[in-house]
Amino acid sequence: DADVTQTPRNRITKTGKRIMLECSQTKGHDRMYWYRQDPGLGLRLIYYSFDVKDINKGEISDGYSVSRQAQAKFSLSLESAIPNQTALYFCATSDPGLADEQFFGPGTRLTVL
Amino acid sequence: DQQVKQNSPSLSVQEGRISILNCDYTNSMFDYFLWYKKYPAEGPTFLISISSIKDKNEDGRFTVFLNKSAKHLSLHIVPSQPGDSAVYFCAADKNNAGNMLTFGGGTRLMVKP
Repeated sequence: DADVTQTPRNRITKTGKRIMLECSQTKGHDRMYWYRQDPGLGLRLIYYSFDVKDINKGEISDGYSVSRQAQAKFSLSLESAIPNQTALYFCATSDPGLADEQFFGPGTRLTVL
Repeated sequence: DQQVKQNSPSLSVQEGRISILNCDYTNSMFDYFLWYKKYPAEGPTFLISISSIKDKNEDGRFTVFLNKSAKHLSLHIVPSQPGDSAVYFCAADKNNAGNMLTFGGGTRLMVKP
């Protein structure tokens, strides 16, 4: 079984709809991250959490919110989706004892029409 | 402004030859650098890293070189294999700031048989 899972893997929605992307991990890591990938821009950090009680904004947090329900679960919400939020979204985890390496989920492809 | 740049969006190499992927950065506070590899429909996976106290790190067919004065790093793959065809992301971290990675835009490597 995969260590970092994301649901759904693909989602098509309409402008103005509320969307939640979910991430679960079995690696036992405290740190979790949400990124979006756009062509030519690489991965940009949306939000990150270093433990259940810690939530921090990343580089591009506007239009997004997150919830850390447990050590293993970190959800990303788009309160009112807009077309420029069409992207590939990745969840990642890390352990401070493993240097700077992050472990990524398989991604969610989101299309906002 | 992107602090980590990969100026070649794509690279095509013949099997058995050397692949050289380049990455430039602007923030002198970056002190740890990583390369990630991404196949279609999968999340990025860690490939190799280098600390700023070194100028070279080697792992099998993969070698990363760091030139701090030029703020440049490169990934060498020798010999290149068709299975190396993927998108490669360069990432940087500063002062062990809690695994806060800044990614480049990626380079798509195609290794032709």
